[in-house]
Amino acid sequence: SAVISQKPSRDICQRGTSLTIQCQVDSQVTMMFWYRQQPGQSLTLIATANQGSEATYESGFVIDKFPISRPNLTFSTLTVSNMSPEDSSIYLCSVEDRVPGTAWTYGYTFGSGTRLTVV
Amino acid sequence: QKEVEQDPGPLSVPEGAIVSLNCTYSNSAFQYFMWYRQYSRKGPELLMYTYSSGNKEDGRFTAQVDKSSKYISLFIRDSQPSDSATYLCAMPLQGGSEKLVFGKGTKLTVNP
Repeated sequence: SAVISQKPSRDICQRGTSLTIQCQVDSQVTMMFWYRQQPGQSLTLIATANQGSEATYESGFVIDKFPISRPNLTFSTLTVSNMSPEDSSIYLCSVEDRVPGTAWTYGYTFGSGTRLTVV
Repeated sequence: QKEVEQDPGPLSVPEGAIVSLNCTYSNSAFQYFMWYRQYSRKGPELLMYTYSSGNKEDGRFTAQVDKSSKYISLFIRDSQPSDSATYLCAMPLQGGSEKLVFGKGTKLTVNP
C-alpha cells in the first residue's frame, strides 16, 4: 500500500484566514482524493485531484472555497479559504491502491488527517 | 434515504466477545465493499475488501456480503481491547476508481 504523509496534523485558525494542507505520497498515483470528516458524520468527498487538470468537485463544494493543487504525481494541497467555525473538521487525503501495471484496485489508503479548529 | 446506513453506536463489549457490525445500502450499483478501522486521531486503515456475496475471513475478522438484501457485516471474534476504534463501511460508487461512499462509522469499545 501507498504511504501518505499529511501536514499539518492539527491547527487552530482565526476565522477569515486560510489554511493549506499538504499530502505527499511515496509513489506516483493518478488520482488523489480529499475528504472531510465532520463530527458524527460520514467521511464526505470534497474533490478528486488529477495531475495536470482541474480538480473535480463534489456537490456542495466549490473551488473558491477549497482550491486544490496537484503539481505532480506524488503531491497535492488542499486550501480551506476564508474559514468560518463551520469549517472545523478533520480533512483527509486518500489515494487508490492498485496492483502495479493493472487497473485492479485493492483498497484506498488515507493520510492521518488534519484536525482543523476555526475560532 | 442515505446511500449507506450504519448504526453509530457506541458499542461496548467485554474482551473475548464476538462483535457484529453492520451496514445497509440502497444503491444496487455498489459492487465492492470495504471495512475500515479508524483509531482516535488517525486516518482510516483498510481492514477488509470484498466484491462478492458470501464470507471472507482474515484472522479474527470476517466480512459478510448479502447483495440480495443490500446488507454487509463485519464480525470480530475474540475481541481485544486493541480493537477499540471506529469501524466504517465504505463502497466505491462505480466499483472502481471512483469516490468512496462511507457509513457514519460505529464506535466500538472492548473492555478488558
